[in-house]
Amino acid sequence: DSGVTQTPKHLITATGQRVTLRCSPRSGDLSVYWYQQSLDQGLQFLIQYYNGEERAKGNILERFSAQQFPDLHSELNLSSLELGDSALYFCASSPHERLAGGQVAIQYFGAGTRLSVL
Amino acid sequence: AQKITQTQPGMFVQEKEAVTLDCTYDTSDPSYGLFWYKQPSSGEMIFLIYQGSYDQQNATEGRYSLNFQKARKSANLVISASQLGDSAMYFCAMREGNTGGFKTIFGAGTRLFVKA
Repeated sequence: DSGVTQTPKHLITATGQRVTLRCSPRSGDLSVYWYQQSLDQGLQFLIQYYNGEERAKGNILERFSAQQFPDLHSELNLSSLELGDSALYFCASSPHERLAGGQVAIQYFGAGTRLSVL
Repeated sequence: AQKITQTQPGMFVQEKEAVTLDCTYDTSDPSYGLFWYKQPSSGEMIFLIYQGSYDQQNATEGRYSLNFQKARKSANLVISASQLGDSAMYFCAMREGNTGGFKTIFGAGTRLFVKA
């Protein structure tokens, strides 16, 4: 168990709908990252938050948005869903961005939310 | 631009033998981290091993070791004494960044099959 909790585990919805995926990071972790894993695109970085602020953006669609709350949990909102949005969505967390000495912090992943858009 | 290449879509290894999964990367940032993750059929992403760009020695974690060749920009994962439970998808990943935030890119993955 990585200590990162994602809910729900599975989500089935229809095209055009909106869903919210939730992530609770490991205790003490300030950074949260969202990823999308699909068969055709592989594992893609979407967005990163650090202590409530957006820090980096990847291949995130305008229909998608995210936020990190004061208690450090994060939500990924997906709207106007399309069939192609069906994927496994991962949340990961790390304590900081860099450790002492300049080392990059390790990200630990949650179990993922499997989204099926029908 | 960042790039991670895993050239082996699938690999077979006999139980108890060692196997090397290849990974090459491309970056212009002198400070970066290289990671390997395992994804079993259940879907979760399990962190295996990490190598920092400034690390002088190759990383090791139990049966996993990372053969880091900085000049060649390669970070191959070596699994010793393969077990049936090692059958999974393996991803190489790289993170680089600075105060502007950290982005991670993943390779396409290598599916490892361990034969009894």
